[in-house]
Amino acid sequence: EVQLVESGGGVLQPGESLRLSCAASGFTFEDFTMHWVRQAPGKGLEWVSLITWDGGSTYYGDSVEGRFTISRDNSKNSLYLQMKSLTTEDSGLYFCAKDITDRVVYSGLDSWGQGTLVTVSS
Amino acid sequence: DIQMTQSPSSLSAYVGDRVTITCQASQGIDTYLNWYQQKPGRAPKLLIYDAFNLQTGVPSRFSGSGSGTDFTLTISGLQPEDFATYYCQHHDNLPLTFGQGTRLEIK
Repeated sequence: EVQLVESGGGVLQPGESLRLSCAASGFTFEDFTMHWVRQAPGKGLEWVSLITWDGGSTYYGDSVEGRFTISRDNSKNSLYLQMKSLTTEDSGLYFCAKDITDRVVYSGLDSWGQGTLVTVSS
Repeated sequence: DIQMTQSPSSLSAYVGDRVTITCQASQGIDTYLNWYQQKPGRAPKLLIYDAFNLQTGVPSRFSGSGSGTDFTLTISGLQPEDFATYYCQHHDNLPLTFGQGTRLEIK
């Protein structure tokens, strides 16, 4: 069974930094692109970033480009999201998600974690 | 960026009803369209991928259709557990974008 467990969320002030983690199990982690998706309170889903299976390529949504960095450690079956210069607009539940298809840059998200909450407030 | 527009934003229906949710892309996306279900306090769940393929374990009362710019998600014979919010998402190019969601409520 695929399991994705996010951690690292918290309450921060604008301008601060935070690193999220996602521990993966139940599948061959090194074969799949991984994503971060966020959801502001009471709002819809926003794709944030992806990293290909080998870590060779990364992509970001416009709203986080230049401030967030996605990375992975295939030896630890772990995904990360380093977030800098946080604003109130970055508040929300952050999900890590597994891509549907192995060794494809992106297709869809077939397994999701339960999310970790980030609150940015002055 | 490709914009995804769902309609309606919300709807009410009875258990047993057949409901249809539509999703329109701002440009053609072939069949690169997925549908998700999200219940309050829960992570989204993949229902349909590539417009019409039922994800493993999803009941057959869910179906998807469409290509190009216009897509539909149909639920035939609503069950109590189907009342949730539904999102479409394209994967034609980056950034991946979601529709704004359709909230399905019990009438």
